[in-house]
Amino acid sequence: EPEVTQTPSHQVTQMGQEVILRCVPISNHLYFYWYRQILGQKVEFLVSFYNNEISEKSEIFDDQFSVERPDGSNFTLKIRSTKLEDSAMYFCASGSTTRGYGYTFGSGTRLTVV
Amino acid sequence: AQSVTQLDSHVSVSEGTPVLLRCNYSSSYSPSLFWYVQHPNKGLQLLLKYTSAATLVKGINGFEAEFKKSETSFHLTKPSAHMSDAAEYFCVVHGSGNTGKLIFGQGTTLQVKP
Repeated sequence: EPEVTQTPSHQVTQMGQEVILRCVPISNHLYFYWYRQILGQKVEFLVSFYNNEISEKSEIFDDQFSVERPDGSNFTLKIRSTKLEDSAMYFCASGSTTRGYGYTFGSGTRLTVV
Repeated sequence: AQSVTQLDSHVSVSEGTPVLLRCNYSSSYSPSLFWYVQHPNKGLQLLLKYTSAATLVKGINGFEAEFKKSETSFHLTKPSAHMSDAAEYFCVVHGSGNTGKLIFGQGTTLQVKP
């Protein structure tokens, strides 16, 4: 069964450093998403991406965050200057449609900012 | 705005007994609803989905959920719990708009006792 692959599985970074979280979505999917889950809290939507541009972003997704699909297969989330409160599990998801379909999620990247 | 409320943060059952995880939704139109499961240190796995077809939806691993419009509920059930069912369960609804973002409930931790 096709999978969404996320790397690394765990990343520790110092506050103020830039991090890039990587995702390889399912190859024929067109819609891509990032979600995050702070420890003990619910999963929150960050951003959706379609046709090489952001289609929607949440209030969390401020200027510190950016996404891109640099080579047609990878889908990355960049945090420019990490803060302690960015520590969370970040999930990538992809889908072939936007309605009536459960997306495929990756296993997540646990980001720890120290 | 679309939202879901999971009525129990923690449910404990004995192995072999029924499971009931409760979810109420709020939606301005006919919703698409999902249940996802997250095992420890794993990603989010789709259990089942409701997309305005049959109101009783069957999913993987013996789980099912019934969409009740009159009660705005989408409770998850399983006749007989197995130890491997111990996990975090999320009730999820599609957000408004066409980007396909998902809105997650707070999650219910299912504990299965031997």
